[in-house]
Amino acid sequence: DSGVTQTPKHLITATGQRVTLRCSPRSGDLSVYWYQQSLDQGLQFLIQYYNGEERAKGNILERFSAQQFPDLHSELNLSSLELGDSALYFCASSGTSPGTGERGLYGYTFGSGTRLTVV
Amino acid sequence: DAKTTQPPSMDCAEGRAANLPCNHSTISGNEYVYWYRQIHSQGPQYIIHGLKNNETNEMASLIITEDRKSSTLILPHATLRDTAVYYCIVRVRGAGGTSYGKLTFGQGTILTVHP
Repeated sequence: DSGVTQTPKHLITATGQRVTLRCSPRSGDLSVYWYQQSLDQGLQFLIQYYNGEERAKGNILERFSAQQFPDLHSELNLSSLELGDSALYFCASSGTSPGTGERGLYGYTFGSGTRLTVV
Repeated sequence: DAKTTQPPSMDCAEGRAANLPCNHSTISGNEYVYWYRQIHSQGPQYIIHGLKNNETNEMASLIITEDRKSSTLILPHATLRDTAVYYCIVRVRGAGGTSYGKLTFGQGTILTVHP
């Protein structure tokens, strides 16, 4: 258990539908990152939030949106789903939590991912 | 962040050392070398990082050349469970959450450990 929790683990939905992926960061981490990993592509950065505010955007489609809540958990909303959106979606967190040591200060911790299948 | 170059794949016999190279010839003085790995469909896992000195932890050793233009990740006694994609990433080390940015993953090296 990395400390980053993603739900659900698997999701199967139809084209045109909307889904929400959830991420709970490691305790005390302020930054949350979302990544997409398709079969034919590597890990693609989507978006970063820090303490509730959007910090950086990557290759995130307009049909996708995210937010980070006051309790620091984050949600990634995917709408008007297409077959090509089928992928693994990973969340990572990082921060400066006291007592987390070297890895906590300078490393990123990834969750186990949500596998989205659009049919 | 500096670009890195890694071989697409490598093989290693179980119990032997696995040496994974990474070229980062455009690395800047304030950029660190990070290594992550991704075991099939799992989330990437932090392995080790360093600036210019060699580093060792319970998972691996990191050897950085004196000119810092390349590095080698060493898994001293590879096991079947070390079969994974290994990513070498170069980036500025963040001093706090606000200065953190995304990790940019390349294609990595697929390491296959054989019995």
